[in-house]
Amino acid sequence: KAGVTQTPRYLIKTRGQQVTLSCSPISGHRSVSWYQQTPGQGLQFLFEYFSETQRNKGNFPGRFSGRQFSNSRSEMNVSTLELGDSALYLCASRNWGEWTDTQYFGPGTRLTVL
Amino acid sequence: AQSVTQPDIHITVSEGASLELRCNYSYGATPYLFWYVQSPGQGLQLLLKYFSGDTLVQGIKGFEAEFKRSQSSFNLRKPSVHWSDAAEYFCAVGARGSQGNLIFGKGTKLSVKP
Repeated sequence: KAGVTQTPRYLIKTRGQQVTLSCSPISGHRSVSWYQQTPGQGLQFLFEYFSETQRNKGNFPGRFSGRQFSNSRSEMNVSTLELGDSALYLCASRNWGEWTDTQYFGPGTRLTVL
Repeated sequence: AQSVTQPDIHITVSEGASLELRCNYSYGATPYLFWYVQSPGQGLQLLLKYFSGDTLVQGIKGFEAEFKRSQSSFNLRKPSVHWSDAAEYFCAVGARGSQGNLIFGKGTKLSVKP
């Protein structure tokens, strides 16, 4: 079974631009979560989607948004980029509703903001 | 506040030596506990998880971890380290129904001496 895939793997943007990252979950997984990883703050939860609805949200400004499609694929958008948004953005998928379900992570998208 | 503490930022061990990585958590609900490993430029790979039951859990690559509720700890161990184990290790905590919203420690970087 194929793992979580994320595209693109690398992005370079300039301040003020906006960016969209994509995540395809493991086949059969219906929940997708997004995390931001930076050297200073570590791994921080952004949001989780299930059934095209945001179910949980972390403590990030409204510039960070996401959505999920009917096939469970998810996109994350960051508007008005700031230098501090440079990070590795990780997507993870899991089954929803199983008490033993576990998140599996993709390889990440490395975003550099200049 | 809910948190995960990994006291050791960087550990160096000799190949063949034993390893223990520490993890302490503060969490209001009954915790689900995880260890993930990240190689440079890669996403997170699940090593092992604890949901309930036997407090000693076995994972992949010869790793094990022990849940000690009284100490709020979930330390990772390996009896004999291999050079390929060099990576960064993350402890994470969540709860039933919140497995998609994990709180991560800052990580411990493991270096292996030949």
